[in-house]
Amino acid sequence: EVQLVESGGGLVQPGRSLKLSCAASGFTFSNYYMAWVRQAPKKGLEWVATISTSGSRTYYPDSVKGRFTISRDNAKSSLYLQMNSLKSEDTATYYCASQQWGFAYWGQGTLVTVSS
Amino acid sequence: DIVMTQSPSSLAVSAGETVTINCKSSQSLFGSVRQKNYLAWYQQKPGQSPKLLIYLASTRESGVPDRFIGSGSGTDFTLTISSVQAEDLANYYCQQYYDTPYTFGAGTKLELK
Repeated sequence: EVQLVESGGGLVQPGRSLKLSCAASGFTFSNYYMAWVRQAPKKGLEWVATISTSGSRTYYPDSVKGRFTISRDNAKSSLYLQMNSLKSEDTATYYCASQQWGFAYWGQGTLVTVSS
Repeated sequence: DIVMTQSPSSLAVSAGETVTINCKSSQSLFGSVRQKNYLAWYQQKPGQSPKLLIYLASTRESGVPDRFIGSGSGTDFTLTISSVQAEDLANYYCQQYYDTPYTFGAGTKLELK
């Protein structure tokens, strides 16, 4: 059974940093591009970052470019999102997802609240 | 950026009805190399993570009931749900993966009449 389990969310002050993790199991993690997708409270979905199978290529939208860094450890079947200079508009549930033709497998999400 | 416009934003239906959700992209999602449309549909029930229903505009994900049908090409796409069941009440999103930034439609909320 495919499982993606996010962790690391919580309450953080504006301008501070937070690192999210996602533990994958039930599929060959190293064969898949992986991504982070977020959803602000009562809002729609927003793609945040994608990383290639080897980790050599990363992609971000302008809203997080330069502040967020996606990385992976294939030996540990783990995905990460380092978030720096956090803003109130980054408040959302963050999902990790496998990426192929769309986002096929999703975790349950971890809530990040940016507030003073 | 490719803008995805979904309509309607909400839809009230009775069980057994057929519903259609539309999604329009600001540029073509048709890839000439693979001759495919890079468009996906997701279902999100309250309190749950999104679930992939359809990819490449019309290919049903494994395990998705055949009452969910994706169609369209280029810039105009449709998700049709035939004989809606109570378990289908959810938010539905289209998403393009033709180019980064990958973008989603604003969603369509399917409610019970």
